[in-house]
Amino acid sequence: AQSVAQPEDQVNVAEGNPLTVKCTYSVSGNPYLFWYVQYPNRGLQFLLKYITGDNLVKGSYGFEAEFNKSQTSFHLKKPSALVSDSALYFCAVPQGGYNFNKFYFGSGTKLNVKP
Amino acid sequence: DTAVSQTPKYLVTQMGNDKSIKCEQNLGHDTMYWYKQDSKKFLKIMFSYNNKELIINETVPNRFSPKSPDKAHLNLHINSLELGDSAVYFCASSVGAGELFFGEGSRLTVL
Repeated sequence: AQSVAQPEDQVNVAEGNPLTVKCTYSVSGNPYLFWYVQYPNRGLQFLLKYITGDNLVKGSYGFEAEFNKSQTSFHLKKPSALVSDSALYFCAVPQGGYNFNKFYFGSGTKLNVKP
Repeated sequence: DTAVSQTPKYLVTQMGNDKSIKCEQNLGHDTMYWYKQDSKKFLKIMFSYNNKELIINETVPNRFSPKSPDKAHLNLHINSLELGDSAVYFCASSVGAGELFFGEGSRLTVL
């Protein structure tokens, strides 16, 4: 089964510093990988996805993610964190690699950005 | 205009009662979903519908019955509510190999 893992429950970073939220994947074949953000008491919002092509994917709100096949990782990054980036972040993968009707979500990482 | 809207936002009810959550999307998407987010924020798919047809039923108890009257609507009815049903239920929609668009969630509390 296709899956993703987020090894950190929480990431703390100071405003203005770079941030990284980690995701590793277990997928047979070429992976499709997604990142979503959930602000408190809100639904999830799409940030970015990797389908094919450049390993560095740019997304919403200044976020980017780097696909690394050798390390089976898809870490979310931002060069300079904002307090407003504080939220819950989910990595996700469609089941079976291509079954977009059924996504498997990671356990989520809470990002705290301190002023 | 809200892309995926679900009502009500909050439900508080007693064990054994029946409740419904409604969802509508105005994005023209073919596929709609119900996801459950538990108290630890873990998200799990429950159902997926494509053009009103059920395509995913993720071993959810049959007390949960989704209904899709048309491709813009997907409702969720829950019978005989149990304490363990307390969660946030998210409706979502998508098209093709695209990302999911989520509603704001319906927080169900069973007392």
